[in-house]
Amino acid sequence: EAQVTQNPRYLITVTGKKLTVTCSQNMNHEYMSWYRQDPGLGLRQIYYSMNVEVTDKGDVPEGYKVSRKEKRNFPLILESPSPNQTSLYFCASSFRQGIDTQYFGPGTRLTVL
Amino acid sequence: AQTVTQSQPEMSVQEAETVTLSCTYDTSENNYYLFWYKQPPSRQMILVIRQEAYKQQNATENRFSVNFQKAAKSFSLKISDSQLGDTAMYFCAFSAGNMLTFGGGTRLMVKP
Repeated sequence: EAQVTQNPRYLITVTGKKLTVTCSQNMNHEYMSWYRQDPGLGLRQIYYSMNVEVTDKGDVPEGYKVSRKEKRNFPLILESPSPNQTSLYFCASSFRQGIDTQYFGPGTRLTVL
Repeated sequence: AQTVTQSQPEMSVQEAETVTLSCTYDTSENNYYLFWYKQPPSRQMILVIRQEAYKQQNATENRFSVNFQKAAKSFSLKISDSQLGDTAMYFCAFSAGNMLTFGGGTRLMVKP
């Protein structure tokens, strides 16, 4: 089944404790991205990647890191989480950036205390 | 930078009736793509419909259709014969290159 998977689905952590949210897709997509969703603001793009070893900042990259060492994986890293990073996070992938339908993962609900 | 505005935070409609969700965007680009995504209570993001700016014909997908007005930078979604399963958040989104920009969303409630 074609899909984007994220783990964990739910995470409660404390300020400053490094964490990683994994994202994997099995559709051989070139393009992957991370979004955060906050009430009233819709989804905002954090980082995106057009291919292996190619990443770029989105609208809200501060406090986040990503890597793309393999085509299928695109982890999101919070080196020192803060309460303002409490949000719902989505990973997405597509064949071509900006043109094709993006396939979204199921979301990760993160709470930083 | 592109912006997408959805001016209706919440809407409701009776089952079987028609409802229109509004979306406007601001861009200086000439070639771009517009999308409507649905997010039901399960939180899964699902593509509803997609429009290419260079196409004058409005996109349709079964009960869903758009009214794309390029000059006015407007991209509204019409849902005909509303069903209970249409209850969800709806997001309008714009892309002219590497990034996808979303509006703030409209929460739609379909009432029996």
